[in-house]
Amino acid sequence: DAGVTQSPTHLIKTRGQHVTLRCSPISGHKSVSWYQQVLGQGPQFIFQYYEKEERGRGNFPDRFSARQFPNYSSELNVNALLLGDSALYLCASSSALRDTQYFGPGTRLTVL
Amino acid sequence: RKEVEQDPGPFNVPEGATVAFNCTYSNSASQSFFWYRQDCRKEPKLLMSVYSSGNEDGRFTAQLNRASQYISLLIRDSKLSDSATYLCVVNIGSNYQLIWGAGTKLIIKP
Repeated sequence: DAGVTQSPTHLIKTRGQHVTLRCSPISGHKSVSWYQQVLGQGPQFIFQYYEKEERGRGNFPDRFSARQFPNYSSELNVNALLLGDSALYLCASSSALRDTQYFGPGTRLTVL
Repeated sequence: RKEVEQDPGPFNVPEGATVAFNCTYSNSASQSFFWYRQDCRKEPKLLMSVYSSGNEDGRFTAQLNRASQYISLLIRDSKLSDSATYLCVVNIGSNYQLIWGAGTKLIIKP
C-alpha cells in the first residue's frame, strides 16, 4: 500500500509570495496533521484535520491555513512568505484522531 | 522551559556499545509518549511507543517515569545503522497534538 505522499518535494519561493503544499494520506486514514520542521529542531505542530474539520491548531500566524477535502487529502497554504518560513513541512496521517501518525517524506520549502 | 527537552548530542558511540537517551516533559497531563527516529533529510518514523510498565523491542528498551516526568530509550549492541536523530514525542490533550523534542543525534562509529 502507498504511504503518505506529499507534493512538491522541493520548492523555492521569494519573500511575499504564496505557497500551497499538498498531502495525500494513507488509504483509509481520515486524519491529517501538518508540521513545520526547521533545521536542527523537532517538528512543530501546525494543524490537525479529521473528517474535513479542523481539530487542532498550533501557535502559527494567520498566514498559515489549511483544509481537508472529501477524499481526505489536504492542502497547507502559507501567504506572505517570510525567510523564517524556510523549513521542511511534514504531513502525517492516522486512521482516527488518536491513532499513530505516519509521516510523508515532506516538502522542503526555501524562501529567498 | 521547553515542553519536551532532550540532550542534543551528538553522542559518538563505538559499534556494539550501549547508549541511553533521556527526555523530560513539563506537562503532567501528558498522556502518550513515543520515540521517533529521523535519518538525515528524511521524515520521522515511529520507533516505539512508551508504556508505563516499560517496553522492549529487540535491542531497544523504553521506560517512562511519570513521577519524575521523564522518558528514556536504551539501545543495546548498537549498529552502524542506528546512526540517526532520536526524537522524544509527547501527546498533550484530547486532540492528540504531538509535542516534539529537538532530538538527540547519535553517531555510531566502527
